[in-house]
Amino acid sequence: AQKVTQAQTEISVVEKEDVTLDCVYETRDTTYYLFWYKQPPSGELVFLIRRNSFDEQNEISGRYSWNFQKSTSSFNFTITASQVVDSAVYFCALSEFAYGQNFVFGPGTRLSVLP
Amino acid sequence: DADVTQTPRNRITKTGKRIMLECSQTKGHDRMYWYRQDPGLGLRLIYYSFDVKDINKGEISDGYSVSRQAQAKFSLSLESAIPNQTALYFCATSDLDSDYGYTFGSGTRLTVV
Repeated sequence: AQKVTQAQTEISVVEKEDVTLDCVYETRDTTYYLFWYKQPPSGELVFLIRRNSFDEQNEISGRYSWNFQKSTSSFNFTITASQVVDSAVYFCALSEFAYGQNFVFGPGTRLSVLP
Repeated sequence: DADVTQTPRNRITKTGKRIMLECSQTKGHDRMYWYRQDPGLGLRLIYYSFDVKDINKGEISDGYSVSRQAQAKFSLSLESAIPNQTALYFCATSDLDSDYGYTFGSGTRLTVV
């Protein structure tokens, strides 16, 4: 069975600090896709990234970066120089399909960035 | 207009009442989903539909039913609402060519009193 664990329930940092959100997954599939979504206080879910299991290159997008390590089944998300607008709940998700059929979501990590 | 629209955005209903949550999309996606979000549990799949004639139960379908009226419309019903169905409900769509996994609606916050 597929499972996603986000062990950090809540994290608080002060603005401009770097913060890493952990995601550990379990799957028996050899091909799978990992996603991160952001849920700001307004409640909508915002897509951040999709990564397939064959691509272990780290990805950087502005202040965001992702570290995918198949050896430890982890797909961690780092925000550099955090800002108040980064305050949100972040979800890691796993799917055996690129188009996201039947996602398995982690429980989410609530990030609070204090001014 | 949003790609995936959910109505209502907020609803308070009484125990035992029947309530319908509606979802419509302009993405042209075949696949539609209903999830519920509870604090600390993430999102859990209630029902999903791969086309108008295909409806499938998800992880937590008990107490819910769905109707796929058209490719663009997928409704979720609570036949007899109970307080532990108080949650944030999301509709989502996806397709083979979707690079972003799901496209989510803005959510419906349902409170059963």
